Amino acid sequence: NAGVTQTPKFRVLKTGQSMTLLCAQDMNHEYMYWYRQDPGMGLRLIHYSVGEGTTAKGEVPDGYNVSRLKKQNFLLGLESAAPSQTSVYFCASSRYGQTSTEAFFGQGTRLTVV
Amino acid sequence: DAKTTQPNSMESNEEEPVHLPCNHSTISGTDYIHWYRQLPSQGPEYVIHGLTSNVNNRMASLAIAEDRKSSTLILHRATLRDAAVYYCILRDVRGSSNTGKLIFGQGTTLQVKP
Repeated sequence: NAGVTQTPKFRVLKTGQSMTLLCAQDMNHEYMYWYRQDPGMGLRLIHYSVGEGTTAKGEVPDGYNVSRLKKQNFLLGLESAAPSQTSVYFCASSRYGQTSTEAFFGQGTRLTVV
Repeated sequence: DAKTTQPNSMESNEEEPVHLPCNHSTISGTDYIHWYRQLPSQGPEYVIHGLTSNVNNRMASLAIAEDRKSSTLILHRATLRDAAVYYCILRDVRGSSNTGKLIFGQGTTLQVKP
């Protein structure tokens, strides 16, 4: 049981380049989330999804797009990377509804935009 | 999203109990109180959660005030491995929005001294 897997773990981009971060979970969870964490800060929610085919904006969505075409995958896209998007990105997933207990987080993707 | 207030940092001695406080005066009736912790260079991990009653698990105990406006995470015997940032989060999985979002604050950095 792999849990939540993020790909890649590290990446360096040049300003203006694009990339996609992949989050995959094997727990059949309905909820999935993308966060970013800047040095010395807490996590901030970028986008989230409550089910396949649905996405919604979080606290800091500008400059990012997401897609949830399959239940197990949640993709985060940067169309034109900027140095301000240098951060550690975390994906998480959890079950739906009142029975939902814990959210499971991936190990993070460290992105540097130069 | 209801907010929480935690001290920025706390210190503890190894093998002593630690009480981490959290204030959430604007908590709604459908908010669960969740605690997560983040070890250095890792993604957050679930610690414990509760609604109204005190809760215990293998990692910690959660004491919830009768009016639910505050809670305390209790680590019964701190170890060096418990040094982390601890986040108190209100999570609504029963309300009309039902997104199950986890909105992180700054958390409390716990230092454990040998």
